[in-house]
Amino acid sequence: DAKTTQPPSMDCAEGRAANLPCNHSTISGNEYVYWYRQIHSQGPQYIIHGLKNNETNEMASLIITEDRKSSTLILPHATLRDTAVYYCIVSAPNTGNQFYFGTGTSLTVIP
Amino acid sequence: NAGVTQTPKFQVLKTGQSMTLQCAQDMNHNSMYWYRQDPGMGLRLIYYSASEGTTDKGEVPNGYNVSRLNKREFSLRLESAAPSQTSVYFCASRKTGGANTGELFFGEGSRLTVL
Repeated sequence: DAKTTQPPSMDCAEGRAANLPCNHSTISGNEYVYWYRQIHSQGPQYIIHGLKNNETNEMASLIITEDRKSSTLILPHATLRDTAVYYCIVSAPNTGNQFYFGTGTSLTVIP
Repeated sequence: NAGVTQTPKFQVLKTGQSMTLQCAQDMNHNSMYWYRQDPGMGLRLIYYSASEGTTDKGEVPNGYNVSRLNKREFSLRLESAAPSQTSVYFCASRKTGGANTGELFFGEGSRLTVL
């Protein structure tokens, strides 16, 4: 079973920040938090990952709480092309462990 | 550098027929995965292979078999296709061990319809 819980859907106005939450209360010490998104029926696309520190790249920022039981993906200036399903996953990077996607959050960016 | 390549991209089968979905990666990754995605649903893990020579069941393994032929190739076989196996199948690979990100790379998907 997936180890994460996400809201099924969210809306965001174009140009505003999109904040997508994820709960992972049973995360283990060696597990990272990964975020992916899937546009239409394409293969999922990697966005960002982190262990315990906040991370930022050209696509998004990842904020992980101090107890690591939840995280938030931030798209700073959402565009229509960010409309997609966003998946939060926890997994240990140095093993071939199962990588469960869950049901994700369907984000709709509204013009 | 093609990444993860899946064949075929589309297939129509009749109930009871068998077929094999092929997946190959050219990134020298250790781990490979097969997922299925039904309409409006998330991805569900069918089987995975942590390294060459090993395979393990995921969430929904019934009705499928896999073979990790070598480090590059991981195939998924449907021995007797059923309409419930109509889905989009995604293969993925992941580098594990050592200093790495553990990120998954996906193929474009194989769309299977069982009549």
